[in-house]
Formats: sequence, C-alpha cells, structure tokens
Amino acid sequence: QQQVKQSPQSLIVQKGGISIINCAYENTAFDYFPWYQQFPGKGPALLIAIRPDVSEKKEGRFTISFNKSAKQFSLHIMDSQPGDSATYFCAASISGGLAGNQFYFGTGTSLTVIP
Amino acid sequence: ETGVTQSPTHLIKTRGQQVTLRCSSQSGHNTVSWYQQALGQGPQFIFQYYREEENGRGNFPPRFSGLQFPNYSSELNVNALELDDSALYLCASSAPQGPEQFFGPGTRLTVL
Repeated sequence: QQQVKQSPQSLIVQKGGISIINCAYENTAFDYFPWYQQFPGKGPALLIAIRPDVSEKKEGRFTISFNKSAKQFSLHIMDSQPGDSATYFCAASISGGLAGNQFYFGTGTSLTVIP
Repeated sequence: ETGVTQSPTHLIKTRGQQVTLRCSSQSGHNTVSWYQQALGQGPQFIFQYYREEENGRGNFPPRFSGLQFPNYSSELNVNALELDDSALYLCASSAPQGPEQFFGPGTRLTVL
C-alpha cells in the first residue's frame, strides 16, 4: 500500500509559469514532509520541508502548502526555469527520538520546463 | 564539510552473486539509511543503522543485510542476487537531532 500518493506523474510548464505538484497521505502520525529534487543519475537533493504545525513555508521560488485536515500537501515552483526540469518526490516520515526516521516517498513527478 | 559519498558508482553482477555497497555519512551524522530506487519509482526504505545497530527495516528479505562502523560509515550487502535487484541504491545520513536526511549519489547495480 502506497503510504504517500503523488500527482501528476508528469508535468510540462512554460518558462516563467507556476509548477504545482500534489501529495496526499493517510497516516496522521506523519510529522515531517520534505520535498526532494532528483536529476538523472543523481541522488535526491532536499529542496524544502514542512512540519504539520504550519500551513505554508516558502524558500525562494519554492513553496510548500500544507492542509492538515485534508491530509494533503503540495509544492509550488514559481517562475519555473528550464534548470528546474527534474523529477520531484514528496515524502513523509514519523520523527523517532534520536535515531532518525523512515521516509515514505511518493512515486515522483517528472517536470519539464519549456523555454 | 563533506557530503554523503557512495562507492562504487556502478556495478554489474550476475544472478546468484553477492554484492557489497559502501557509504560514508556526512560529517556529524550518526544515522545511515539505505533505500532502493527502481527505475521510474520513488526510493523504498531498506533499513536504517544507528550506533552500529539496525534500527528499523522495510519490506526487504533477509538476504539484504548491513553494517555500520564506529566512524558511522555503512555497508549494504545483498546475497543471492536476483534480476529484480537491479536498481539505484541510495544511502542517506542524518544528524542526531534529525529529521532531515541527506542522500548520496547512489550506486547503480545491474544484475544480469
């Protein structure tokens, strides 16, 4: 059973446009929600993350919107650039003491930004 | 500050063989997690090591095993390789206070 469901599978956006990727989860114990960016042949790189006690977090052109009651969160990329073309993964985890936490990843969204 | 490193970059094995993948955690990080990423999929959690002991395991058979060393580096061992084990294997390290996990570049394993 997929713990985190991600959509769309692929997305094409014009340069300067807004890219929006959505994720939904079921486990209300999740308390940490990161987004990762992955280029072909590379490992995922942490972009931005949010805790459920806030509804929005912004870092540069990247914003996470979080809806706790709907158990949904989304990534918005403003002023999308060709260099943003990559695969994006949402994830969720339950923080566990001093020993870290297991991440549950979505299935990924392939973003293409057209010049 | 050195990030997470993994070796080797690529590896080709035949079915039934055994493989060892290595990971060096980021400076100051004492927890290492291993993930398997099949082509076109999100990473799947294999297991996590903290203070040299396994601390949490995903839905992977016992032929997937690991080690963590006193310097927090880690190994992933896979015995009796199967074709479906072909994937990108990712190592992620995290600091004691967590929760961020920082990934290495991965090892691409191909099983023929």
